[in-house]
Amino acid sequence: LAKTTQPISMDSYEGQEVNITCSHNNIATNDYITWYQQFPSQGPRFIIQGYKTKVTNEVASLFIPADRKSSTLSLPRVSLSDTAVYYCLVGDHQGGKLIFGQGTELSVKP
Amino acid sequence: DAGVTQSPTHLIKTRGQQVTLRCSPKSGHDTVSWYQQALGQGPQFIFQYYEEEERQRGNFPDRFSGHQFPNYSSELNVNALLLGDSALYLCASSFPTGDGGYTFGSGTRLTVV
Repeated sequence: LAKTTQPISMDSYEGQEVNITCSHNNIATNDYITWYQQFPSQGPRFIIQGYKTKVTNEVASLFIPADRKSSTLSLPRVSLSDTAVYYCLVGDHQGGKLIFGQGTELSVKP
Repeated sequence: DAGVTQSPTHLIKTRGQQVTLRCSPKSGHDTVSWYQQALGQGPQFIFQYYEEEERQRGNFPDRFSGHQFPNYSSELNVNALLLGDSALYLCASSFPTGDGGYTFGSGTRLTVV
């Protein structure tokens, strides 16, 4: 499974757009890119998944360049409640194990 | 909302004891995975169950075992507890293909003293 690299932490202010970039240089042809959000003492929550180009849902957008060696999770107009750890995962979408790294700890300040 | 339910929420055990954690998957899901999350770390995959069989296993010793029942619920058993087993244990359910992502429970906080 492809290894991912993402910043350990990021700070932002309420109302700003936050972009978290994840590197996955060894991504395989069959791999999808998935992002999870985790609050303290809770399980991770699925945010968004994509294979290429751009995916958007009600909470976030995922940008994937043509070479797929990186991806960017975009959170529009963050609020204090978006303070959490965000994990980027890469896998073959076949229902197997998820490989979590250390994630990015996002802190949103008023 | 019939999400993933885990019990108990918190547990304190003594070193050397055995523990059983329980998980009920999200309605419609038939695949259950277990993860261990140490403080400040990402979740680590323990194993996955589908059709009452262990389908995949992570790098955990045999002290960690599991079971899946016909109603898709699952148990995680840990024998001969070590202090290092203290962690948040997460259960995740999904379809076998992973379509739609995994739904995680809130976990069981296990403390070994």
